[in-house]
Amino acid sequence: EAGVVQSPRYKIIEKKQPVAFWCNPISGHNTLYWYRQNLGQGPELLIRYENEEAVDDSQLPKDRFSAERLKGVDSTLKIQPAELGDSAVYLCASSLIWNIEETQYFGPGTRLLVL
Amino acid sequence: QKEVEQDPGPLSVPEGAIVSLNCTYSNSAFQYFMWYRQYSRKGPELLMYTYSSGNKEDGRFTAQVDKSSKYISLFIRDSQPSDSATYLCAMKPYSGAGSYQLTFGKGTKLSVIP
Repeated sequence: EAGVVQSPRYKIIEKKQPVAFWCNPISGHNTLYWYRQNLGQGPELLIRYENEEAVDDSQLPKDRFSAERLKGVDSTLKIQPAELGDSAVYLCASSLIWNIEETQYFGPGTRLLVL
Repeated sequence: QKEVEQDPGPLSVPEGAIVSLNCTYSNSAFQYFMWYRQYSRKGPELLMYTYSSGNKEDGRFTAQVDKSSKYISLFIRDSQPSDSATYLCAMKPYSGAGSYQLTFGKGTKLSVIP
């Protein structure tokens, strides 16, 4: 079974440029998460989707970040414009919601460097 | 004070040693506890999942939870160089709003020296 797929794996951009990250969750997983992991820190939730609905985006900086999950499968996270402080690893995770354990499976992440 | 505290290390041990990794937490609502392993430039991978106080064993790994002390541990027996990674503890509430939301520790970087 294929795991969570993310692309690109690495991205270097100049500040004020836009950037987008793509995630394809594990087949059949209806719940999708985007996390940001700063260097030396644990992942922090940005947004959670149940199917195509964003059910928790309270920690997404909405002035510059946006996300979508069309058709309830793939998802895209966008930053526009990027700032130096956005340099981090952006992780996508997916899970099945139907039990309390709801184990989250993570992708390899996109490592973003903003210059 | 952060909700979850984890010593970032780094921790360096010889091959074959017993490794003890720990986290403390302050939120008594946390009921589900996880340990993730994260290799360099990879995403976190679930190692252990437990929700009751006591020990849970899986091969060389033992997860221990002490809810009265708000303290969790991961023990690795007969450590191998392939265990070299960052270990993240994570936890979440049992139910209610935000019950899916994981709160992670900073992670402890472990190196097992051959």
